[in-house]
Amino acid sequence: EVQLVESGGGLVQPGGSLRLSCAASGFTFSKYWMHWVRQVPGKGLVWVSRVNSDGSDTTYADSVKGRFTISRDNAKNTLYLQLNSLRAEDTAVYYCGRGVGTSSFFDYWGQGTLATVSS
Amino acid sequence: DIQMTQSPSTLSASVGDRVTITCRASQSISRWLAWYQQKPGKAPNLLIYKASSLESGVPSRFSGSGSGTEFTLTISSLQPDDFATYYCQQYNNYPYTFGQGTKLEIK
Repeated sequence: EVQLVESGGGLVQPGGSLRLSCAASGFTFSKYWMHWVRQVPGKGLVWVSRVNSDGSDTTYADSVKGRFTISRDNAKNTLYLQLNSLRAEDTAVYYCGRGVGTSSFFDYWGQGTLATVSS
Repeated sequence: DIQMTQSPSTLSASVGDRVTITCRASQSISRWLAWYQQKPGKAPNLLIYKASSLESGVPSRFSGSGSGTEFTLTISSLQPDDFATYYCQQYNNYPYTFGQGTKLEIK
């Protein structure tokens, strides 16, 4: 059974940092591109970032470029999102999603982890 | 960025009704469109990909159509479990973008 389990969310002050993790199981993690999508509570979905299967190539939404870093450890079957220089508008539930192919939709999602940026 | 616009934003319907949600793209995305269902407090669930391909395990009452800039999601006979929020997503270009969502409510 495919499972994606996020962790690492919490309360952080503006300007602070968080590292989110997404532990994958039930599939060959190293073969899939992976994504992060966020959702402000009560609002819509926003794609944040993606990483290719070996971690050598990444893409970011303009709103997070230069502040967030996506990475992966295929030996640990884990996806990461490093969030730096956090702003109040980064407050959201962050979901990891498995991509299908290299240009794709998301066939499996984690349950999400809430990052709250507030003083 | 490609803008995705869903209509309506809210839809009130009854069990057994046939409903259609529309998603329009600001430029052509061929058939690179997916539909998701999301219930409160849960992650989105994939329903349709490549505009009209039904994801495995999704009931056949869900169907998708369209290409280019206009797409539809149809539920042929609403069931109680279908009351949720629905999102379209384009994956033709980065940044991938979602519609604003359509909340399907019980009439």
